[in-house]
Amino acid sequence: KAGVTQTPRYLIKTRGQQVTLSCSPISGHRSVSWYQQTPGQGLQFLFEYFSETQRNKGNFPGRFSGRQFSNSRSEMNVSTLELGDSALYLCASSPNPGQGADTQYFGPGTRLTVL
Amino acid sequence: SQKIEQNSEALNIQEGKTATLTCNYTNYSPAYLQWYRQDPGRGPVFLLLIRENEKEKRKERLKVTFDTTLKQSLFHITASQPADSATYLCALDRGAGSYQLTFGKGTKLSVIP
Repeated sequence: KAGVTQTPRYLIKTRGQQVTLSCSPISGHRSVSWYQQTPGQGLQFLFEYFSETQRNKGNFPGRFSGRQFSNSRSEMNVSTLELGDSALYLCASSPNPGQGADTQYFGPGTRLTVL
Repeated sequence: SQKIEQNSEALNIQEGKTATLTCNYTNYSPAYLQWYRQDPGRGPVFLLLIRENEKEKRKERLKVTFDTTLKQSLFHITASQPADSATYLCALDRGAGSYQLTFGKGTKLSVIP
């Protein structure tokens, strides 16, 4: 089975711009989660989607948004980029949506640099 | 507020020795605790999961313990090898209906030949 894929792998943007990142989960996985990883804060949960519905959201401003499509693919969007948004954005899919013991299968991440 | 601490940011150990990594948490009642490995430039990879009613779990050279009284998990790698060098992350899961994992910041392990 193919793993979680994320596109693009690297992205450079300037402050004030917006960006859309894409994630394709492992086939059959219906839950997709997004995380932001920075050296200072570590891995922080952004949001989780299942069957096109956001079921949980982390403590991030409204500039961060996401959606999930009927084929389970997901996108996240960051508007009005700030320098502090520079990070590795990781997508993870899970075969066991919200039943506990949700092992996450991570993609390689998108490295976003905001100049 | 909830807090997850992995006691060492970095740990150096001689090849062949046992590496022990610590994960402590406060103001949290996890139903499950997971350990992940992350290599530079890559996403984390799942290693082991332990439930709140389990004391110990093993997989090959890996062993994890979970003490809900001490609010602590220990992760052991026996007979460590240079290939074990990576960052190891612990993650807490409240269980059914939580829909998220909360991660520690990780411990960077270096196994010296």
